[in-house]
Amino acid sequence: DTEVTQTPKHLVMGMTNKKSLKCEQHMGHRAMYWYKQKAKKPPELMFVYSYEKLSINESVPSRFSPECPNSSLLNLHLHALQPEDSALYLCASSLLGGEGYTFGSGTRLTVV
Amino acid sequence: SQQGEEDPQALSIQEGENATMNCSYKTSINNLQWYRQNSGRGLVHLILIRSNEREKHSGRLRVTLDTSKKSSSLLITASRAADTASYFCATDKAAGNKLTFGGGTRVLVKP
Repeated sequence: DTEVTQTPKHLVMGMTNKKSLKCEQHMGHRAMYWYKQKAKKPPELMFVYSYEKLSINESVPSRFSPECPNSSLLNLHLHALQPEDSALYLCASSLLGGEGYTFGSGTRLTVV
Repeated sequence: SQQGEEDPQALSIQEGENATMNCSYKTSINNLQWYRQNSGRGLVHLILIRSNEREKHSGRLRVTLDTSKKSSSLLITASRAADTASYFCATDKAAGNKLTFGGGTRVLVKP
């Protein structure tokens, strides 16, 4: 299995909702990442997990809460989002030590 | 914040022509990577070049790296309509912990 699987592919949520994005990989990668991408912009790093521990938080607002239950799963819990949080959320994984990342297809999030 | 800047921002070529795009970055790096993105979906890793390498090839792709100028280039030879996509360079300062993307080049290959 050489894929990163993200669910759901599309999500529409209200500003008072709580939802979660899920990411799964079975490549034995010990680093996992969340990126946010706005239209016609590059991906921006949000969080990095190394060996299931949060190693980097790029000053992301607390309405985004990451979780890494085990080495194969990564979640992003969403609560009280704003319309400007609408974006494509990308999950990625990699071996530690300077190798290429494998990205999922993303979740397109719309906050209404 | 972006580490790299890409040039040009957009490129339109005919099928069969070569496409060249450039990436400049600001700080020292461990490696530089190139990715392709189709229609705003997931990114696909194309090629990785380490700071001690100057050139790398993969199929129709050729990447160069000049660490003295803090710049890299991606050449796609004999382009195809299927190469239409956005291409991003990304720099890794510390071996795998944090990949930072440049602004991207949108490439249109006309049949």
